[in-house]
Amino acid sequence: AQSVTQPDIHITVSEGASLELRCNYSYGATPYLFWYVQSPGQGLQLLLKYFSGDTLVQGIKGFEAEFKRSQSSFNLRKPSVHWSDAAEYFCAVGANTASKLTFGTGTRLQVTL
Amino acid sequence: ETGVTQSPTHLIKTRGQQVTLRCSSQSGHNTVSWYQQALGQGPQFIFQYYREEENGRGNFPPRFSGLQFPNYSSELNVNALELDDSALYLCASSHSGGNYEQYFGPGTRLTVT
Repeated sequence: AQSVTQPDIHITVSEGASLELRCNYSYGATPYLFWYVQSPGQGLQLLLKYFSGDTLVQGIKGFEAEFKRSQSSFNLRKPSVHWSDAAEYFCAVGANTASKLTFGTGTRLQVTL
Repeated sequence: ETGVTQSPTHLIKTRGQQVTLRCSSQSGHNTVSWYQQALGQGPQFIFQYYREEENGRGNFPPRFSGLQFPNYSSELNVNALELDDSALYLCASSHSGGNYEQYFGPGTRLTVT
C-alpha cells in the first residue's frame, strides 16, 4: 500500500528565510511524486512533480524538490519565502500523473513579516 | 486557469439525506477523480472515472457513487448522509496517457447536520 508522511503539521518562517518541508513516502514501485499547494477556500495547485531523471526538480513560484530514493523522501525547498507563500502544502504519490493520488496530511506554512 | 469547475460551492444537508455534487472537467480531459478532504486532513481518493466507466475506487462505502457523462462532466452522489461526510469534495480532471497533470477544481464544501 502506498502512503505519505508529512511530519510537520505547522511551520512558521520569517519572510526572506529559507524553507524546507519534509515528505516521506512508501510505494512499491517507481513512484510519481507531487507537491501541491492549497490556499484557504481554494483547490489544489501543482507546484512540481517528479517521476524520473534529475532528482532535483524545479517548480513554479521558485520552489524545488529533491528526490532521495535511499531515504524515501521528496522534500520541498524554497531559498527565500514570501508572505504570499503562506498556505497548506501537500505531498502526494501516485502510479502516474493521471492515477489516484495518495496525499499526506499536509503542512501549514505561516510566514511572519 | 485550470478550467475545472464545481457546483455548488457550499451545501448544507441533514443526516440521512442524499446529495449530488457536480464537476465540469477541463476541455479535452477524459479522466475525472473525486477526493474527500476532511478538515485538517489531506484529500482521500474516492474513485476515478475514465470514459464513463469507474476506473478505481478508494476505501469508501457503496453509498458513494458517481457518473461521468459523454461530455466528461461528472457527478458524485452520496446517499444516507452521515455527519462524518462533512468535508470539502474535490474533483480533478486529466487526460490519460502521457504525463498530463491532474487539474483540481475549487471544491464543494458539504456540511451535514
